[in-house]
Amino acid sequence: GAVVSQHPSWVICKSGTSVKIECRSLDFQATTMFWYRQFPKQSLMLMATSNEGSKATYEQGVEKDKFLINHASLTLSTLTVTSAHPEDSSFYICSTDRRNIQYFGAGTRLSVL
Amino acid sequence: DAKTTQPNSMESNEEEPVHLPCNHSTISGTDYIHWYRQLPSQGPEYVIHGLTSNVNNRMASLAIAEDRKSSTLILHRATLRDAAVYYCILIKAAGNKLTFGGGTRVLVKP
Repeated sequence: GAVVSQHPSWVICKSGTSVKIECRSLDFQATTMFWYRQFPKQSLMLMATSNEGSKATYEQGVEKDKFLINHASLTLSTLTVTSAHPEDSSFYICSTDRRNIQYFGAGTRLSVL
Repeated sequence: DAKTTQPNSMESNEEEPVHLPCNHSTISGTDYIHWYRQLPSQGPEYVIHGLTSNVNNRMASLAIAEDRKSSTLILHRATLRDAAVYYCILIKAAGNKLTFGGGTRVLVKP
């Protein structure tokens, strides 16, 4: 069964609005979660590392004020795309490590009109 | 992070084996070799991993060269559901972030 649950799987929003994506670890605690972004026909690009109880670590070139990450509990990390614009349209994927294996969410396809 | 090199794409016929190569000439002694695959419109999923010895599981086999500078993922009997992008990734330790390269897109023909 699924180890990581990601929600929603698909969202359409208007330009300028904010969208929140949730990533939950099922039946285990995840002190660290990773957020990736994937554009069509490209590979996954790591955006940030989410740490429970502390600030997220962002990769170079990723705006922390635009992509807000909250990891308030050991089973939930959220990514909020603030003031979304069409160029933010992408496939967002979360993951976490369990026993040296990375488990990924099913992904969230964001379309900004 | 040590880099991996994979062919962009490979084709196979259904029910035939598929051998996916991965070069990692700058691998360090503490790097684990992981393989993940991503089916269309889905998040990646774990396939197999190893350190030095060859590994087998229900999904695939992993053959690691003696000098560890290359490895091969083997799908013993490809099915249409195995059509995906396969990523070879080096990871130093549990909990470390993954760095994805371009992967190999596998096309399985009926």
